[in-house]
Amino acid sequence: QVQLQESGPGLVKPSETLSLTCTVSGGSISRYYWSWLRQPPGKGLEWIAYIYYSGSTNYNPSLKSRVTVSVDTSKNQFSLKMNSVTAADTAVYYCAKDMRSVYDVHRGWFDPWGQGTLVTVSS
Amino acid sequence: DIQMTQSPSSLSASVGDRVTITCRASQSISTYLNWYQQEPGKAPKLLIFAASSLQSGVPSRFSGSGSGTDFTLTISSLQPEDFATYYCQQSYSSPYIFGQGTKLEIK
Repeated sequence: QVQLQESGPGLVKPSETLSLTCTVSGGSISRYYWSWLRQPPGKGLEWIAYIYYSGSTNYNPSLKSRVTVSVDTSKNQFSLKMNSVTAADTAVYYCAKDMRSVYDVHRGWFDPWGQGTLVTVSS
Repeated sequence: DIQMTQSPSSLSASVGDRVTITCRASQSISTYLNWYQQEPGKAPKLLIFAASSLQSGVPSRFSGSGSGTDFTLTISSLQPEDFATYYCQQSYSSPYIFGQGTKLEIK
C-alpha cells in the first residue's frame, strides 16, 4: 500500500521560495506519475503540476512561471518549489499518486494522497 | 481551460436519503471525470474514476454516471460517515480542474 508524506517549512516569507518534498513509501516511485495539489483554507482544490519518474513534467499554466517540480528516484521522493510567494499561496499542499500512464494520459485521477501540509505565507 | 461546475454547492439531507450531486463540464470530456470525498481536516479520497468506476474499498452505495458534459454522483442511502464535501475533477486535459465542491450536511 503506497503512502505519501509531505514535508517542508510551514511558514514562508512573502517573495521567498516555498519548498516541499513528498516521500513515497510502500512502493517505488519509478514507472509512475506524481502530482502536487493545493487547497487554500476554506476553498477548493487546485492541481499544480505532475512529474513522471523519468523527470518529464506538466504544469498548471496559472502557476507555471513560478513552479518547478523534480524527482529523486534514489530517495523515492519528488519535490515542489514555488518562488515569489504571496499570501495567496497560503494553502494546504498535497502530494498524490497520479494514475495516468504513458499509454493513457487521460487516467489522471489522484490516489492516494498525502495527509497534506499547511504552508502559510506571512512575514 | 475546461471549467467544472457542481450543483448544488451545499445540500442538507438525512441518514437513509438518496442524494445526487451534479457536475457539468464546459466542453465534452468523454468519461474522464473523477469524484472525491473530503472530510474536514483530511485529504481527499478517490471515490469514482472514469465517470462510473468504483474505487476499490468504496461502498457500493456510491455510484457515478454520465458522459460528455454532464455527470452525476449518487449516494443511494446516506450513512453518517458520508457527510462531507464532494468534488468532481476532469482528467481530459490539462489543467486538471476540480469543481468548486458540494458540502453535504446533516438535516
